[in-house]
Amino acid sequence: SQQGEEDPQALSIQEGENATMNCSYKTSINNLQWYRQNSGRGLVHLILIRSNEREKHSGRLRVTLDTSKKSSSLLITASRAADTASYFCATSVIGRDDKIIFGKGTRLHILP
Amino acid sequence: EAGVAQSPRYKIIEKRQSVAFWCNPISGHATLYWYQQILGQGPKLLIQFQNNGVVDDSQLPKDRFSAERLKGVDSTLKIQPAKLEDSAVYLCASSPGQGWREQYFGPGTRLTVT
Repeated sequence: SQQGEEDPQALSIQEGENATMNCSYKTSINNLQWYRQNSGRGLVHLILIRSNEREKHSGRLRVTLDTSKKSSSLLITASRAADTASYFCATSVIGRDDKIIFGKGTRLHILP
Repeated sequence: EAGVAQSPRYKIIEKRQSVAFWCNPISGHATLYWYQQILGQGPKLLIQFQNNGVVDDSQLPKDRFSAERLKGVDSTLKIQPAKLEDSAVYLCASSPGQGWREQYFGPGTRLTVT
């Protein structure tokens, strides 16, 4: 079963703009990860945020987590053509940090 | 460091035929996962191995799917007989050990069942 649900399902923005995608989930988690999938590099881990963290940065990525609302957001700043990909949130199963459940993903398209 | 290797990259078979996929994880990684990703959806865990033991196969359709990791390194996933709804990308991932959060994925095998 898929726990996380990303929103929007698809997003097109101009190169240089910021892209924001959201993830909502249903049950308590220990941590939440974001992965990117494109045809060139496959599925790649981007960032992990723990349930006791509210915000985390990695390069042009910023992730927030609101456990009271059971939601997370991924912000990509100054988007590039290479950011065109599908982005998935993956939530851990309580008691099983090594088991993650993926959402359906947001398809991001960066326009030149 | 070499990544997760999978073969074949593409496979087309007719329904009721059998098919096998192979995965070689990152060297030294004790945990290995097989996922099924249907077009437009996120990956769904089929089975998780810790060394050569099964940790979780709760979502593996055991009437037609089987997987093994005999020596705790390479793994094979088999489907017999295949159905049309098995058309998907089959992803293999590995991680250093149980409890490790980040997973490293291979390129996947795209299966088309006609």
